[in-house]
Amino acid sequence: AQSVTQLDSQVPVFEEAPVELRCNYSSSVSVYLFWYVQYPNQGLQLLLKYLSGSTLVKGINGFEAEFNKSQTSFHLRKPSVHISDTAEYFCAVSDLRDDKIIFGKGTRLHILP
Amino acid sequence: ETGVTQSPTHLIKTRGQQVTLRCSSQSGHNTVSWYQQALGQGPQFIFQYYREEENGRGNFPPRFSGLQFPNYSSELNVNALELDDSALYLCASSLGGLNYNEQFFGPGTRLTVL
Repeated sequence: AQSVTQLDSQVPVFEEAPVELRCNYSSSVSVYLFWYVQYPNQGLQLLLKYLSGSTLVKGINGFEAEFNKSQTSFHLRKPSVHISDTAEYFCAVSDLRDDKIIFGKGTRLHILP
Repeated sequence: ETGVTQSPTHLIKTRGQQVTLRCSSQSGHNTVSWYQQALGQGPQFIFQYYREEENGRGNFPPRFSGLQFPNYSSELNVNALELDDSALYLCASSLGGLNYNEQFFGPGTRLTVL
């Protein structure tokens, strides 16, 4: 069975500062890895995904994530955040055998002025 | 090309009632997945439909049931509603197949059970 742990439920960060949102996963098989963003009162939007190949993945809105197989991590980073990045961020995994997505509990990103 | 749409946007029901939520998949997509997102939690997989047949189910009781129509739109039915069923219900559509296919999420239906 797969699981996802997002180590921080909330992360406050000043505008224009860098941010890292942490994610660890557990799986006995190879997986796909994702980060989704959910703005208030909206559905989920895919930020980026790791399927295979390069371990550094670039996504939309200036975000990137690095897949680390030995540490079973997939941390999300942005070098300079903007007030518009205020949202809930979900790390997720999917088994290669089906399209079921397992989500973490989410990390709320608070941008401080 | 229209995206994934869900109806209704909000819904209030009382315990014991039944509810039907609807999802229209993105054009060209034949797979619909349903998720339940309780307040402060990540979405949890309920089930998936591929070409009108159930194609995987999460840890939800049988009173959660679904249907997919020939046009690939889908319904989620919940019988004997409980207070804990209050949540945002998300559907996502994708083009099913052997390889990875991105799931595109709708805006959700917020269900409140009183």
